[in-house]
Amino acid sequence: EAQVTQNPRYLITVTGKKLTVTCSQNMNHEYMSWYRQDPGLGLRQIYYSMNVEATDKGDVPEGYKVSRKEKRNFPLILESPSPNQTSLYFCASGEGGQPQHFGDGTRLSIL
Amino acid sequence: QKEVEQNSGPLSVPEGAIASLNCTYSDRGSQSFFWYRQYSGKSPELIMSIYSNGDKEDGRFTAQLNKASQYVSLLIRDSQPSDSATYLCAVTLSGGGFKTIFGAGTRLFVKA
Repeated sequence: EAQVTQNPRYLITVTGKKLTVTCSQNMNHEYMSWYRQDPGLGLRQIYYSMNVEATDKGDVPEGYKVSRKEKRNFPLILESPSPNQTSLYFCASGEGGQPQHFGDGTRLSIL
Repeated sequence: QKEVEQNSGPLSVPEGAIASLNCTYSDRGSQSFFWYRQYSGKSPELIMSIYSNGDKEDGRFTAQLNKASQYVSLLIRDSQPSDSATYLCAVTLSGGGFKTIFGAGTRLFVKA
């Protein structure tokens, strides 16, 4: 079954404590991307990657890092989380730069 | 700042009617356009992608693109209550990369 798997699904943490949200896909897609979704703002792209070791900024990259060491994995790293990064996060993968399959989402609360 | 605009709705249509969802975008050079459906509490699902001017049909869904007017729409024929969801329009920006901008979405209610 084609899947994009995010972990954790829910996380409550405190300001400044580094965290990583993992994303893995089993479809051999070259393209992967991260989004945050906030009420009234829709989805906003954080970073995307077109291949291993190839990442690029989306619309709202500040405060986030990503890495793409393997084709299937694309973790999102918050090195010093702040309350304004409280949001619902989605990872997606696809072909040709197109976000086709989304993970189930990670609800992140930063106190 | 490149933008994608959608009417937030809610758009309410009776069962069996045609639902028409509209989206405008500001980046004139954009080449790739997408429609997603998102049920409450769920992740977005890709419904349609369109790249050329004109219509593209897939089952009950038709995407329409007019690059001159910077306008893309989604028609849902024979609307069903199960079509009730938020519909997101997305555009990949020009400039050689794959930066994608989403609209805030239109909520659709199909009344039985």
